[in-house]
Amino acid sequence: KAGVTQTPRYLIKTRGQQVTLSCSPISGHRSVSWYQQTPGQGLQFLFEYFSETQRNKGNFPGRFSGRQFSNSRSEMNVSTLELGDSALYLCASSSHGSEYEQYFGPGTRLTVT
Amino acid sequence: TQLLEQSPQFLSIQEGENLTVYCNSSSVFSSLQWYRQEPGEGPVLLVTVVTGGEVKKLKRLTFQFGDARKDSSLHITAAQPGDTGLYLCAGIKTLGNTGKLIFGQGTTLQVKP
Repeated sequence: KAGVTQTPRYLIKTRGQQVTLSCSPISGHRSVSWYQQTPGQGLQFLFEYFSETQRNKGNFPGRFSGRQFSNSRSEMNVSTLELGDSALYLCASSSHGSEYEQYFGPGTRLTVT
Repeated sequence: TQLLEQSPQFLSIQEGENLTVYCNSSSVFSSLQWYRQEPGEGPVLLVTVVTGGEVKKLKRLTFQFGDARKDSSLHITAAQPGDTGLYLCAGIKTLGNTGKLIFGQGTTLQVKP
């Protein structure tokens, strides 16, 4: 089975722009979670999607949003980028009934200048 | 506020030495996980501990969940350079029929040959 894939792997944006990151889960996995990883705050939960519905949400501003498609692929969007949004964004997928056995992708490294 | 505190944050040891990483919280978790993350990759799940007092072994790695389900430890015997990486603990808090992972800040381990 192919693992979780994330595109792009690296991205450089300027303040005020918006960005969309993509995640393709492992085949058959319907739950997708997004995390932000920074040296200062560590790994923080953004949101979780299951069957195209947001099932859980972390404590991030409304500039961070996401969605899931019928094929379980997910995207996250960050609008009006700030310098502090520079981070590694990780996506993880899991199968129904094993939501906590999460398989992470390699992440998208976002740099905001 | 960091719900899960890991210690130490950094550890540099020689090959063959033993080490213990701690993960502590004032909150009770339904279960706790340990992950290892290598540069340029996402975290990989090592183990999930569910029962207070539970001990699990994975080759040279021993994981323990505290009796009160508030803390955990990871012990590595005879560390090898291949053990180098970022070790993350993650607590699971269930919310109805869903939940989320709360990660510690991580322990960076360097094993020198």
